[in-house]
Amino acid sequence: SYVLTQPPSVSVAPGNTARITCGGDNIGIKTVHWYRQRPGQAPVLVIYYDEDRPSGIPERFSGSNSGNTATLTITRVEAGDEADYYCQVWDSDTDPSYVFGTGTKFTVL
Amino acid sequence: QVLLVQSGPEVTKPGASVKVSCKASGQRFSTYYVHWVRQAPGQGLEWMARINPTSGDTHFAQKFQGRVTMTRDTSANTAYMQLSRLTFDDTAIYYCTTSSVRDWYYFDVWGQGTQVTVSS
Repeated sequence: SYVLTQPPSVSVAPGNTARITCGGDNIGIKTVHWYRQRPGQAPVLVIYYDEDRPSGIPERFSGSNSGNTATLTITRVEAGDEADYYCQVWDSDTDPSYVFGTGTKFTVL
Repeated sequence: QVLLVQSGPEVTKPGASVKVSCKASGQRFSTYYVHWVRQAPGQGLEWMARINPTSGDTHFAQKFQGRVTMTRDTSANTAYMQLSRLTFDDTAIYYCTTSSVRDWYYFDVWGQGTQVTVSS
């Protein structure tokens, strides 16, 4: 199966920029999607197709993907951004077809 | 956009089965797949299976093949997931989520989750 590796935790002070990585073998040739999960809530899509934002997601959220690493970037971090973040890919050649990253607990200091 | 409302929490015993429902509203049932994703306590997200509500076609993660049954009632815009031969490791929150049938690569709407507890 395809493995997506994320750092267990990332911490950033309010107003600064956060970067959460998602590592996978040649992930740059796949499309990566990102979800935010606040405590006790269901996940919410924040980035799809590497860099697109659903309606309602602020421009502070952006994504990139190249080589073996995809990155979710959050600028001007706010307290409300604190959550678990998961990357995800789809791959028809792997089982399961939908793979989630290991998850990153993002803390606003 | 579709809204997904799931059935309430379940407590069940090892070896038994559980059936969770997911009622959709706000968009035609035929325009999206319904997936099931679970999250064990303190753990990450795990994709289990999907169903095309229009055709009934299903696709499973091999791990759950033979233990998961997905059905749907198109007249009620409701999808169901039954998990059988439960073990303690099946204790988790089970989410239904959707992806467009034309753009199935990511999950755009999520239900609120259903807590399933396997306890003797």
